[in-house]
Amino acid sequence: DQQVKQNSPSLSVQEGRISILNCDYTNSMFDYFLWYKKYPAEGPTFLISISSIKDKNEDGRFTVFLNKSAKHLSLHIVPSQPGDSAVYFCAASASGNEKLTFGTGTRLTIIP
Amino acid sequence: EAGVAQSPRYKIIEKRQSVAFWCNPISGHATLYWYQQILGQGPKLLIQFQNNGVVDDSQLPKDRFSAERLKGVDSTLKIQPAKLEDSAVYLCASSIQTANSPLHFGNGTRLTVT
Repeated sequence: DQQVKQNSPSLSVQEGRISILNCDYTNSMFDYFLWYKKYPAEGPTFLISISSIKDKNEDGRFTVFLNKSAKHLSLHIVPSQPGDSAVYFCAASASGNEKLTFGTGTRLTIIP
Repeated sequence: EAGVAQSPRYKIIEKRQSVAFWCNPISGHATLYWYQQILGQGPKLLIQFQNNGVVDDSQLPKDRFSAERLKGVDSTLKIQPAKLEDSAVYLCASSIQTANSPLHFGNGTRLTVT
């Protein structure tokens, strides 16, 4: 049972445009959501997070939006840069447990 | 701040052999995790330690996998005997013991079982 889903395995975006990565979850107990970025041969690195008490969190070029009623979150990157090319994982956890459940990832390619 | 250290980076073994991976978490991080990432999938939790005690090992195949975290710092993950389907990247992560603290991952060990 895949509790965190990223339905787009890949996404290509022109440099300078907006990249939008999507994530859906099924477990209503999840209340903390994170995005990780992964380069080849490296471990995932934390990018940005959001608590369920918020619907938006912004950090520089990165913004995460949470729609609790739809059990959906998205990561916006604007403007997109070539260094943003990586695999992006959505992850979620429930209160009182730091254990993360990950999605299958979306490979983002920024076209110069 | 030094990151999570893992070794070896790569390992190739034949099926039915045994293998061990080592992890040194970020200093001061009480919680340590082992994740398995199969190609094309997201990381899947195998085991979670809080200091040197096991918090969650519900997804660890205990007939062949074992893990320990002596003295609440370093950890080792062992597979004995290995199967072809164990081919994956094994990621170690650590976090401080506070709510909603992100996990910090090492670069992983890529295991190939032939």
